[in-house]
Amino acid sequence: GNSVTQMEGPVTLSEEAFLTINCTYTATGYPSLFWYVQYPGEGLQLLLKATKADDKGSNKGFEATYRKETTSFHLEKGSVQVSDSAVYFCALSDWVAQGAQKLVFGQGTRLTINP
Amino acid sequence: NAGVTQTPKFQVLKTGQSMTLQCAQDMNHNSMYWYRQDPGMGLRLIYYSASEGTTDKGEVPNGYNVSRLNKREFSLRLESAAPSQTSVYFCASGRGASNTGELFFGEGSRLTVL
Repeated sequence: GNSVTQMEGPVTLSEEAFLTINCTYTATGYPSLFWYVQYPGEGLQLLLKATKADDKGSNKGFEATYRKETTSFHLEKGSVQVSDSAVYFCALSDWVAQGAQKLVFGQGTRLTINP
Repeated sequence: NAGVTQTPKFQVLKTGQSMTLQCAQDMNHNSMYWYRQDPGMGLRLIYYSASEGTTDKGEVPNGYNVSRLNKREFSLRLESAAPSQTSVYFCASGRGASNTGELFFGEGSRLTVL
């Protein structure tokens, strides 16, 4: 079945450091790819998405490019802030019965940014 | 705009007790989902409802039942809670077949089974 593998955490960085969180996927067909973020005590929020190969999703300084040839969707940010501390989930969409799509998630990566 | 609303936010149960988690969305979405989140395992799908009147099992349905009460509401029931069901539960909704697959999540319900 379809699956997502994320970089193991936790990840700890200093403010203004460069961030990469690796994500690779296994899928039949051409799923949409997502990064969700979960701030402490909150639900998941969509951070960015890409719906086809070579698309780049971006939001709040974060970027990820849908790489079909390497089946990857790595999350990057050039200069992180303390407020970026959260858990980040990579996910892909997967068609299920009756026309609905579900999301298949990676295990999550906890990011802590120190001042 | 409330989005996806879950109740209760916190619950403690004893083994063998039953309870229902409630979820409602106000975005007129067709599909709704229940996920559980456990440390190191990401989110796993328990049940989903592609449209009003239909429900189907996800990856980890054992010990749970669901009801799609109407287009807005989708409840999750634990008939006889077990410690292995201690988790954070998330309800989500999505537009359905014409969508890119994006889901909108509630804030979660933290359940502890003693």
